[in-house]
Amino acid sequence: GNSVTQMEGPVTLSEEAFLTINCTYTATGYPSLFWYVQYPGEGLQLLLKATKADDKGSNKGFEATYRKETTSFHLEKGSVQVSDSAVYFCALSTGNQFYFGTGTSLTVIP
Amino acid sequence: GAVVSQHPSWVICKSGTSVKIECRSLDFQATTMFWYRQFPKQSLMLMATSNEGSKATYEQGVEKDKFLINHASLTLSTLTVTSAHPEDSSFYICSARVGTDRETQYFGPGTRLLVL
Repeated sequence: GNSVTQMEGPVTLSEEAFLTINCTYTATGYPSLFWYVQYPGEGLQLLLKATKADDKGSNKGFEATYRKETTSFHLEKGSVQVSDSAVYFCALSTGNQFYFGTGTSLTVIP
Repeated sequence: GAVVSQHPSWVICKSGTSVKIECRSLDFQATTMFWYRQFPKQSLMLMATSNEGSKATYEQGVEKDKFLINHASLTLSTLTVTSAHPEDSSFYICSARVGTDRETQYFGPGTRLLVL
């Protein structure tokens, strides 16, 4: 079946620290992979995506590379800001349906 | 960008009552809307897919008589939790899809339901 596993939180970092949130997946076929971010009181927003192996998605300083050999799509950012505090969801799409991870809460302290 | 709203944002009700949650696409028409449910520390689980003007398609294990979905217009879908019980307490999230792009969905902020 299809599923997404992401690292549990919460994660607390100091401003300008390096961020990694791990995400691995299990899927039949060739899914697209996504990272969504949810700020307090708001809906999930697409942060970045990758549609095939070795693609790198990037946005707002965040990056993730679609690794088929390790079935991973880890989210990284070189220098986090307080405004990055949010919940991050890894997800995959088979075209018909989305499968989400459990979400990782990130808090960045000044 | 496309905005999806949900109302109410949170609701507390007594066991046995019914609760209606609205999902609206504010600046676009959504032919398809999705309803998800999220338990604490768990992932979003798709409950049903709602197409305007037709019956919703429910995922396996979701009771369609318990969770009534109506997609009466291109900008509004409603989820009614009938005869709610404490185990129905959860976070309900809707999303809307634009056109036929299966992978572009815009999410609402969610509705937290607490059944006493």
